[in-house]
Amino acid sequence: GNSVTQMEGPVTLSEEAFLTINCTYTATGYPSLFWYVQYPGEGLQLLLKATKADDKGSNKGFEATYRKETTSFHLEKGSVQVSDSAVYFCALSEGTGGFKTIFGAGTRLFVKA
Amino acid sequence: EAGVAQSPRYKIIEKRQSVAFWCNPISGHATLYWYQQILGQGPKLLIQFQNNGVVDDSQLPKDRFSAERLKGVDSTLKIQPAKLEDSAVYLCASSSGPGGYTFGSGTRLTVV
Repeated sequence: GNSVTQMEGPVTLSEEAFLTINCTYTATGYPSLFWYVQYPGEGLQLLLKATKADDKGSNKGFEATYRKETTSFHLEKGSVQVSDSAVYFCALSEGTGGFKTIFGAGTRLFVKA
Repeated sequence: EAGVAQSPRYKIIEKRQSVAFWCNPISGHATLYWYQQILGQGPKLLIQFQNNGVVDDSQLPKDRFSAERLKGVDSTLKIQPAKLEDSAVYLCASSSGPGGYTFGSGTRLTVV
């Protein structure tokens, strides 16, 4: 079945450091890929998405490129801020499943001032 | 637009008691989802509705969990009787297509 694997956390960075959170997926078809962010005490928010191979999703300085050849969708940001501290979830969704979304386990990011 | 509304925000119950959660999705969103998020894990789908019909409830523990979406708008999720392992955040989400979900803030359930 479909699944998402992302790097374990926590990831601890200093402010202005470069961020990479790895995500790989397994899917039988051609899924859409997403990154969601969950700030402390809040629900999940859609951060960015990509719907086909080689698409790049971007938002708030975060980027991720849909790599079909490596089945990956790594999240990157060039310069993190303290306010980026949150849990990040990689996810996939396929139309054949009624657009049901499957989530990875999440990666917690701490950014120190 | 108004977001996905959920209530209550927090609930503490004793094991074997019953509890219900309510969700009002974004107006016009045909698809509604209930997810269970155990601490330290990603959300796990419990049930998916398309309008007022069930699309997927394969991971819903039907011996104790039930859900309904009357009139294809708001929805309730019920647990009866609750177990300690049901302690989690219950998230409701809605969508209008493949572009991603909008989540509510969730209900944090603690079973003692």
